[in-house]
Amino acid sequence: GAVVSQHPSWVICKSGTSVKIECRSLDFQATTMFWYRQFPKQSLMLMATSNEGSKATYEQGVEKDKFLINHASLTLSTLTVTSAHPEDSSFYICSAKGQTNTEAFFGQGTRLTVV
Amino acid sequence: AQTVTQSQPEMSVQEAETVTLSCTYDTSESDYYLFWYKQPPSRQMILVIRQEAYKQQNATENRFSVNFQKAAKSFSLKISDSQLGDAAMYFCAPFGNEKLTFGTGTRLTIIP
Repeated sequence: GAVVSQHPSWVICKSGTSVKIECRSLDFQATTMFWYRQFPKQSLMLMATSNEGSKATYEQGVEKDKFLINHASLTLSTLTVTSAHPEDSSFYICSAKGQTNTEAFFGQGTRLTVV
Repeated sequence: AQTVTQSQPEMSVQEAETVTLSCTYDTSESDYYLFWYKQPPSRQMILVIRQEAYKQQNATENRFSVNFQKAAKSFSLKISDSQLGDAAMYFCAPFGNEKLTFGTGTRLTIIP
């Protein structure tokens, strides 16, 4: 299957700072990318969907000013957690889908810890 | 909108035996796909099996098969000859209108 690389795999940041997570499709053009958040022992919650060159569509209850999503190219999407607080600590997972794909391919996830 | 219900938070099975994980869903889409994903302790999401909703034939992938009942909106996963490496969280996920929605998951334990 296609390969999606997510970086970093883990990050620790201080409260009040911003942190950027990258999601890259390595061998296909990702027309759509999805960002999920997963709390311990819980399911994946869809945060937003982004299409290349367009603004992201956020799910209800997700703060778009806190979780900035950029999908500027067909191989890269970024999630920036702005002014991070301890409650933003979580596992963030991206997935990517090409125009001809019928499935989405997942990155390895990023464990964010805000101290 | 899509909703998913996985009514079994935890399941266990003896190694080499068969286990079935249940899933029911609701969707307003007429054209959609259904997936089962596995999430081992590494937390990497791994696609186990998928089903096109327009196909009546149940999908199979080696030891994994599904029982797809479209009218009942039921999509169960059967794992045959269970192996220790099958231990993981399993998520059912319908995919329609460019949105992949996950159920709450079933934690599968394999008993040696």
